[in-house]
Order: sequence, then C-alpha cells, then structure tokens
Amino acid sequence: AQSVTQLGSHVSVSEGALVLLRCNYSSSVPPYLFWYVQYPNQGLQLLLKYTSAATLVKGINGFEAEFKKSETSFHLTKPSAHMSDAAEYFCAVSSNTGNQFYFGTGTSLTVIP
Amino acid sequence: EAQVTQNPRYLITVTGKKLTVTCSQNMNHEYMSWYRQDPGLGLRQIYYSMNVEVTDKGDVPEGYKVSRKEKRNFPLILESPSPNQTSLYFCASSRQVKGNEKLFFGSGTQLSVL
Repeated sequence: AQSVTQLGSHVSVSEGALVLLRCNYSSSVPPYLFWYVQYPNQGLQLLLKYTSAATLVKGINGFEAEFKKSETSFHLTKPSAHMSDAAEYFCAVSSNTGNQFYFGTGTSLTVIP
Repeated sequence: EAQVTQNPRYLITVTGKKLTVTCSQNMNHEYMSWYRQDPGLGLRQIYYSMNVEVTDKGDVPEGYKVSRKEKRNFPLILESPSPNQTSLYFCASSRQVKGNEKLFFGSGTQLSVL
C-alpha cells in the first residue's frame, strides 16, 4: 500500500519567515500527491496536487510544492508566513487504482507574530 | 453552493447504542468515502464507495457499516459503538474514481462514546 510520512508534527515560524513542511512518500510507481489544509473546526481543503504535469506545483494562498522523485519527497513551502496560515497540514497520496487515499499524520503550523 | 453536509456536528452516546452519521453531497459525485481523524494518526479511511451500491473497505472498517442506495447519500452506521470509536469523522467526495481527483470534505462529526 502507498504511504506518506510527514516529518515534524509541530512547526513554528515567525510571521514573514519561510514555511517548509516535509512529506516523503512510499510508492513503486509515480503517484498522485496532495497537500490539504485544515483550519480549526473545519474539514480539509485542497492546497495543491501533483499529477505528473509539472514537478513544481503552485497552490492557493501562495503555497507551492516540488515533486522530487530521486528523494521521494513532496515538501510544501511558502516564502513568507502569514498569521492566517496557522492550521494543520496533511500530505496525502492516492492508491494506484485511485479508489483509496492515504494521509500523513499531519503537521500543525504555528505562526508567531 | 457545492458542499458535503454531515450531521450531526457533535454526538455523545453510550456503548452499544446504534447510531448513524449522515453524509450528503450536492455535486453528483461518483466517489464518496469516510475517514476518522485521531491525534498522531492523521486520517484513516474507513469505507469508500465508487458508485451507487458499490462499497468497499478502507484501512479501518471494523465496527462500521455503510450503504450507498442513492448517489448523493453515504451514511456511516455504528451498530454497537465502543469507546475506541470516539473520534472525529469526516465524509468526503470526488467527481470520479480517479487518483488525481480533489476530495471535497464535510465539516466533520465529533463522536464521543461513553
């Protein structure tokens, strides 16, 4: 089965600093990869997804992620953190058949004013 | 407005008392699924459905049932809830059964089993 590993369950950054959230995947074939964001008391929303069209994927709210096959990574970045970015972030991968999705354990991002 | 609606938002029950969490989507999506979210474990898939009358187990199906009699509805049934099913539950849907499709999530149901 596919899986993703998120390193760091909690990340704190200062407002205006770079945000880097790490995700590594386990897959024998090129996967479909996703980043979702969960704001307090809400469901998950898609930030961006990788579907093999381009290795650098741009998402909403200034986030982007780069697919690196050699490192089996799909790290999420944002050049300058904003207070509104405080949330929980989940990396996810779909199964080869497309009927199941596997989520990481999540990274809680705190933005310090 | 396109949305996935779950009810109830909060539910407290006692061990063994059957309950149903409803999920409905208004986007004519083929694919629907249920997840539970637990601290330190992320989201784990319970069941999914690829279309009406087509359902299959996810990674943690024990103690749960689902049905898909209509395209828009995908209820989650706990026949005899136990305390280890205390969790935050999410329903999600997507347009097609394809791995690159975006999932639309409901707002969640916080279940406590005493």
